[in-house]
Amino acid sequence: QKEVEQNSGPLSVPEGAIASLNCTYSDRGSQSFFWYRQYSGKSPELIMFIYSNGDKEDGRFTAQLNKASQYVSLLIRDSQPSDSATYLCAVALGTYKYIFGTGTRLKVLA
Amino acid sequence: EAEVAQSPRYKITEKSQAVAFWCDPISGHATLYWYRQILGQGPELLVQFQDESVVDDSQLPKDRFSAERLKGVDSTLKIQPAELGDSAMYLCASSLIAGDYNEQFFGPGTRLTVL
Repeated sequence: QKEVEQNSGPLSVPEGAIASLNCTYSDRGSQSFFWYRQYSGKSPELIMFIYSNGDKEDGRFTAQLNKASQYVSLLIRDSQPSDSATYLCAVALGTYKYIFGTGTRLKVLA
Repeated sequence: EAEVAQSPRYKITEKSQAVAFWCDPISGHATLYWYRQILGQGPELLVQFQDESVVDDSQLPKDRFSAERLKGVDSTLKIQPAELGDSAMYLCASSLIAGDYNEQFFGPGTRLTVL
């Protein structure tokens, strides 16, 4: 089992819809969780991070964490074509270990 | 706005040649990471520095890869000799501190093509 798993996609949603991206992790000791956006040929950029169970909102983005189910998700409301990118989930497993998933490719259709 | 700098942005080399990549982290960031990202995959950690010390190089192919951060600021990653399978994006990232609650900031990356 991979330590951080994501569906590779592509996930296609119409413009204006809610995009839901999911990530599961295997280590119950994981403390913090990050979502990065990566445009083709570019480096990852941090969108959000979450440490506590529940929801965290930032503009059109909401991160949801459920440690009991070992599940973290990212919701993008009012999706725009400019949101089309690969979304990487990353999990910090203690001081010196930081694991990325393979990413989910999102396509927002105009 | 402070950024992580990397050079070169692109590198084309022939197999068996030596290549080197440079990274300058955000000023004051003690932790520096080198990642390799193969197309269609997530970044894979190669080496992590805390100041000038290596704290994790378990995934670094030490027979051909080396990394250093001599003064605890900028860093160099070297591959010698390069192999076809080394073609990838090499990403440098930095964070203020190591630990669970650290946010990493990435540089623009170096795209390596080995012919």
